[in-house]
Amino acid sequence: QKEVEQNSGPLSVPEGAIASLNCTYSDRGSQSFFWYRQYSGKSPELIMFIYSNGDKEDGRFTAQLNKASQYVSLLIRDSQPSDSATYLCAVTGFQKLVFGTGTRLLVSP
Amino acid sequence: DTEVTQTPKHLVMGMTNKKSLKCEQHMGHRAMYWYKQKAKKPPELMFVYSYEKLSINESVPSRFSPECPNSSLLNLHLHALQPEDSALYLCASSQRTEAFFGQGTRLTVV
Repeated sequence: QKEVEQNSGPLSVPEGAIASLNCTYSDRGSQSFFWYRQYSGKSPELIMFIYSNGDKEDGRFTAQLNKASQYVSLLIRDSQPSDSATYLCAVTGFQKLVFGTGTRLLVSP
Repeated sequence: DTEVTQTPKHLVMGMTNKKSLKCEQHMGHRAMYWYKQKAKKPPELMFVYSYEKLSINESVPSRFSPECPNSSLLNLHLHALQPEDSALYLCASSQRTEAFFGQGTRLTVV
């Protein structure tokens, strides 16, 4: 079982819709959870982090964490074509950030 | 300021060359990392430095040699690389848990 799992996609949504990206992790001891956005050929950019169960909102982004289910998600409201990128879920282990394989999001105009 | 600066942005080297990648951060972060990323794959951890000491080496071949001269700088020395080592090399730093990445060095080994 992979440590951090994501559906590779692509996830296609129309402009203005809500994009929902999901991630599961295997280590119950994980404490910190991150979402990075990566455009093709560029480096990952941190867009959200969450430590506690529940929701955390920042602008159009909402991160949701459910430690009991070992599940973390990212919602992007009012999706824009500029949101088209690969979204990497990352979870901290001992001094390490472990990445999922990423979900490619395509937002069509 | 969440800037991590990597140089060079692009590097082409032969299999017999020696080169170095450089990374700098002035955020006072205590931990610095090297990651390697191949196309359409997630970043793979190579090394972690914590308070200027190597704390994690993910069984990386010895042709990659990290160095942390001070708390702001991280180098990756490259020697006798193979074509399969061509990748995007990412440096990151963190104070607590959230890691910030530099723009990366696109390395091509010929």
